Amino acid sequence: AAGVIQSPRHLIKEKRETATLKCYPIPRHDTVYWYQQGPGQDPQFLISFYEKMQSDKGSIPDRFSAQQFSDYHSELNMSSLELGDSALYFCASTRGDSYEQYFGPGTRLTVT
Amino acid sequence: GNSVTQMEGPVTLSEEAFLTINCTYTATGYPSLFWYVQYPGEGLQLLLKATKADDKGSNKGFEATYRKETTSFHLEKGSVQVSDSAVYFCALSYGGATNKLIFGTGTLLAVQP
Repeated sequence: AAGVIQSPRHLIKEKRETATLKCYPIPRHDTVYWYQQGPGQDPQFLISFYEKMQSDKGSIPDRFSAQQFSDYHSELNMSSLELGDSALYFCASTRGDSYEQYFGPGTRLTVT
Repeated sequence: GNSVTQMEGPVTLSEEAFLTINCTYTATGYPSLFWYVQYPGEGLQLLLKATKADDKGSNKGFEATYRKETTSFHLEKGSVQVSDSAVYFCALSYGGATNKLIFGTGTLLAVQP
């Protein structure tokens, strides 16, 4: 079965650079969630989209922005990167308000 | 606010031992409860869930019962295998428009042969 696809899988950036992370949900899933998992920490909710509209917002820095496109894929844009942004970024998708979220493999971002 | 507390790890067990990982939650209303598993270098996989009080979620020999009176959702398995070695996260959500998951800090399970 098709799963959630995230790209790139690994990304290395320098401080103050920008990064774009992409998420392709499971076909027919219309809801996307972004989570950030720091080293040795639990995943923290950043932002979510339903039918291309932002549906909820968590602890996402103002330097980050995200959107969901007409084909339901989503992109997380991160500017003025800081060392503390180094983390694993997960995308999850679901259909409507279903309880079950399916996670992608994550993008490991390293800021040097 | 809403939060999840789970026992700290690492938990080290011998193969075929009994496993319990404690999880308690603080929440208003009636959240749904989940256990996710994260194998090394991989994403999160839903292990089991329970959406209302007294529900029992089960999968791959793992079980957890939604106990509203004790606000708990402890994970158990009767006989662990080396392949169960992973990090286990307890989580809650409310579904609907605010369906974000709130995770506990994770418990590393190491099963030795």
